[in-house]
Amino acid sequence: DAKTTQPPSMDCAEGRAANLPCNHSTISGNEYVYWYRQIHSQGPQYIIHGLKNNETNEMASLIITEDRKSSTLILPHATLRDTAVYYCIVRSATYGNKLVFGAGTILRVKS
Amino acid sequence: DTGVSQDPRHKITKRGQNVTFRCDPISEHNRLYWYRQTLGQGPEFLTYFQNEAQLEKSRLLSDRFSAERPKGSFSTLEIQRTEQGDSAMYLCASSLGQGAADGYTFGSGTRLTVV
Repeated sequence: DAKTTQPPSMDCAEGRAANLPCNHSTISGNEYVYWYRQIHSQGPQYIIHGLKNNETNEMASLIITEDRKSSTLILPHATLRDTAVYYCIVRSATYGNKLVFGAGTILRVKS
Repeated sequence: DTGVSQDPRHKITKRGQNVTFRCDPISEHNRLYWYRQTLGQGPEFLTYFQNEAQLEKSRLLSDRFSAERPKGSFSTLEIQRTEQGDSAMYLCASSLGQGAADGYTFGSGTRLTVV
């Protein structure tokens, strides 16, 4: 799996957009970008994934640069409950390929 | 509840004892994964099953660890002769196994403390 680089921590004001960056400069053509988050004492929770195009769902938006070397997860209106560790993962389309987690970004949403 | 269930949520054991954890995946999911997570780190892959077949094991899975999924439904993870270094959160996840669009659903984990 390609490696990802994320800032260790970020702060965001409640109600504002949280923009979490991820670098994946060695990503290959068949690798997807996944985002998961982990709230304290719970298992990781799937947020969103994408290949080339920007994606949006009820939780977040994923913006992938045209060269695919970086991406940004956007939480449009962060709440205190969004405080968590956010993991950016690249994963190939190969059958059986597993998720490999890094250290992630600790997002602290503050009132 | 249609999520992934893990039992127990917490386990405290003395060094040298054996422990067994159980994971019940989402019923239609044919893939099941075990991960281990220590404080401040992301989850580390241990092993995974496609139905009842164990298809991959990490080098982290020493001889003291064994996992089974006897009928392709629930799975157990056993640790023999526990050591203090085994203290961690053990996470189970399941998925449909449909290539790269295949999202995992994680359980809440079993927190093991070896004293």
